[in-house]
Amino acid sequence: EAQVTQNPRYLITVTGKKLTVTCSQNMNHEYMSWYRQDPGLGLRQIYYSMNVEVTDKGDVPEGYKVSRKEKRNFPLILESPSPNQTSLYFCASRLTSGSNQPQHFGDGTRLSIL
Amino acid sequence: GENVEQHPSTLSVQEGDSAVIKCTYSDSASNYFPWYKQELGKGPQLIIDIRSNVGEKKDQRIAVTLNKTAKHFSLHITETQPEDSAVYFCAAVSEGGNNRLAFGKGNQVVVIP
Repeated sequence: EAQVTQNPRYLITVTGKKLTVTCSQNMNHEYMSWYRQDPGLGLRQIYYSMNVEVTDKGDVPEGYKVSRKEKRNFPLILESPSPNQTSLYFCASRLTSGSNQPQHFGDGTRLSIL
Repeated sequence: GENVEQHPSTLSVQEGDSAVIKCTYSDSASNYFPWYKQELGKGPQLIIDIRSNVGEKKDQRIAVTLNKTAKHFSLHITETQPEDSAVYFCAAVSEGGNNRLAFGKGNQVVVIP
């Protein structure tokens, strides 16, 4: 089954403790991205990757890092999490970076930073 | 960059009635307009999309219309059912740059049995 898989689905942690949220897709997609979803703000892009070893900032990249060493994986790294990063995070992928490609989302990771 | 506005923020309809959600966009170069449905505890799921060379597209009870002149597009759900209750997001993509999806803030649709 074609899917985008995120782990963990839920995480409660404390300020300053480094964490990584993994994302994997099995559709051989070139383009992957991370979003955060906050009430009243919709979905905002954090980082995106057009292909292996090619990453760039989205609209709200501060406090986050990403890497794209393999095509299927696109982890999101919070080096020193802070409470304002408490949010619902979604990983997404699409076949290419072309503008009219359908984008597929994972089921989300709910992060709580205390 | 692209700015997408979505109205209304909450919509309640009686089961069997139609629901319409309207979005406006700012960038006349936008050429792809997907709609996503998000159920509780799930990620957004693509339900229908339309490209700028088409004015209308239907898929069973769902249709999307696009008015490029006015820069708005709408989602129409006919014969609504309780399982249509969800948050719906519209989005727009412009050619160039990173071809990123610009999302509206979402509509909560409640279908009353």
